[in-house]
Parts: sequence; C-alpha cells; structure tokens
Amino acid sequence: DGGITQSPKYLFRKEGQNVTLSCEQNLNHDAMYWYRQDPGQGLRLIYYSQIVNDFQKGDIAEGYSVSREKKESFPLTVTSAQKNPTAFYLCASGRTGAHEQYFGPGTRLTVT
Amino acid sequence: AQSVTQPDIHITVSEGASLELRCNYSYGATPYLFWYVQSPGQGLQLLLKYFSGDTLVQGIKGFEAEFKRSQSSFNLRKPSVHWSDAAEYFCAVNRDDKIIFGKGTRLHILP
Repeated sequence: DGGITQSPKYLFRKEGQNVTLSCEQNLNHDAMYWYRQDPGQGLRLIYYSQIVNDFQKGDIAEGYSVSREKKESFPLTVTSAQKNPTAFYLCASGRTGAHEQYFGPGTRLTVT
Repeated sequence: AQSVTQPDIHITVSEGASLELRCNYSYGATPYLFWYVQSPGQGLQLLLKYFSGDTLVQGIKGFEAEFKRSQSSFNLRKPSVHWSDAAEYFCAVNRDDKIIFGKGTRLHILP
C-alpha cells in the first residue's frame, strides 16, 4: 500500500535532548512538509522540501532542523533550542505541480 | 496576507441532521481550496478540493462544498450526519505549493 509513515506514534524526551522524528513516503512525491499542531492553533508549517537535497524554512522553523537526502525520507530534528517542543507533529507529501497534500498519522512528542 | 477563517470553533448537531461548516478566505486570485478531516490523534484526510470549474464539488463520505467567489467562502455541507462524522474539520488554501490552514471546527454529534 502506498502511503506516508511516521514513527514513532508517541515519543517522550527530557528537556535539553535533541530528538528526531521519522517520515517516509512511498508515493513517489517530490515535495514533503512538516507541520506542528497545537490545540486550537491549526497547523503551522515548520519546513518543506520540493526536491532532494533542498529545503526551505516555513513559518516556525526556529529550533528545528531537517534533511532531505532521499526522495522518500524527510526526518525532522527537534533541537534543545526549541522552547516549547511538546506538540503533535504531522508530515505530509505532494506531487510537484499538484496542490493537495497527503498526511501521515502524526507523532506526538512530549518533552518534560 | 492571505488567511483562512473558520468562525465556529465547535459545532454540535444531532445524528441525521444536516451540517454546514463555514470557511472564509482572503486571497486575491482564485484560490485552490480544500477541506480536510482529522479524527483524534490521527493525521488529516482530504475530503474534497476545488481548483476551478463547477463551484459545487463532491467529496468522500457524502460531503460537498460550494465555492462562492462573491462571498470568499467555501462552506462544507452534508445532508445527514452520522456519529462517525465526529471529528475536527480544517479548511485550507494553497498558494505556491504551501497550504494555509484554518484553525479548525470540531464537530460533535448528539445521538
């Protein structure tokens, strides 16, 4: 089955630690996206990539980093510089030139 | 700046009743518009999309939406809701391959 996978579903970390969230897609989509979701806030764009080895900052990139070494994979690292990392993180992908995006199941990160 | 407004944070309807969720956008040109649905703790699923043409679009799960340029609206409708429709619904607009989401409307269903 084609789709987007995110792992793990739940992630717990201590404050001050970096953590990497996984996102893999087998839809052959060129573009991939990371969003953060907080209650009542909708979705906010963290980073996006439209081609391998290239990515751009979204609206709330501070404290996050990404890489895009393979078309299928777009991992997100939440660094210790992110002041409020506890949130639900969603990965999405889409075809270049198409306008809709398709979402993975999300990872809930809790930092204490 | 373009934005998407969903004026209702929560809506409660009885099972079997009709539903309309409101969405307004601010954008100069004809936008690409979407409705997504999210069940608790899950990702978002695309319900329907509007790019051009017929202003009434049909989606999955019996939903439809109507684009009204004069009102800058893209309201989501369903003639008869089911308990399984309880979820959060997001209206969104795409520009330059980036999607801007409204803050969502949570739908509650009364038995």
